[in-house]
Amino acid sequence: NAGVTQTPKFRVLKTGQSMTLLCAQDMNHEYMYWYRQDPGMGLRLIHYSVGEGTTAKGEVPDGYNVSRLKKQNFLLGLESAAPSQTSVYFCASSYSYNNEQFFGPGTRLTVL
Amino acid sequence: GEDVEQSLFLSVREGDSSVINCTYTDSSSTYLYWYKQEPGAGLQLLTYIFSNMDMKQDQRLTVLLNKKDKHLSLRIADTQTGDSAIYFCADPYAGNNRKLIWGLGTSLAVNP
Repeated sequence: NAGVTQTPKFRVLKTGQSMTLLCAQDMNHEYMYWYRQDPGMGLRLIHYSVGEGTTAKGEVPDGYNVSRLKKQNFLLGLESAAPSQTSVYFCASSYSYNNEQFFGPGTRLTVL
Repeated sequence: GEDVEQSLFLSVREGDSSVINCTYTDSSSTYLYWYKQEPGAGLQLLTYIFSNMDMKQDQRLTVLLNKKDKHLSLRIADTQTGDSAIYFCADPYAGNNRKLIWGLGTSLAVNP
């Protein structure tokens, strides 16, 4: 039982490049989330999904897109990376919105 | 809007008790959560309390809930250097866009 996994763990991009972060969970959870964590700003929700084929915007969705084609996977895309997107990105999943969220180990992204 | 507030930093000496405080605005939640984030890792659920309880004790952890004041606290007895981490309070919001409302996290430093 791997829980929540994220790939890659680290990435360096140049401004304007694109990339996709992959999150996978093996707990059959309906809800999945993408957060970013920046010093002094806590966790900010980027996008989330309440089930396969659904996505919704969180607090800071601009510059990001997501897809949930399969229940176990939640992809976060950056179409044209900007230095302001330098952050640590966490994926999480849960059975429902008020149940425990299980977090992945994070992806540290640097945009030069 | 709904909000969760925590102080950002706490420093204690090894062996002392630590008390981390949190205030929240949404009082309809069934649970309230405390998560722990160790350096370089994702968040993990530390403990939770049902909203119909005033206190929960789990080994060195004591959670106190004052519903009237919408105040939650986490007490760690005999704090150890391994308790150094960021502690997040989280409140499930049952309104539109159901989600967890996160505090900014309290960074606990334990000094030998």
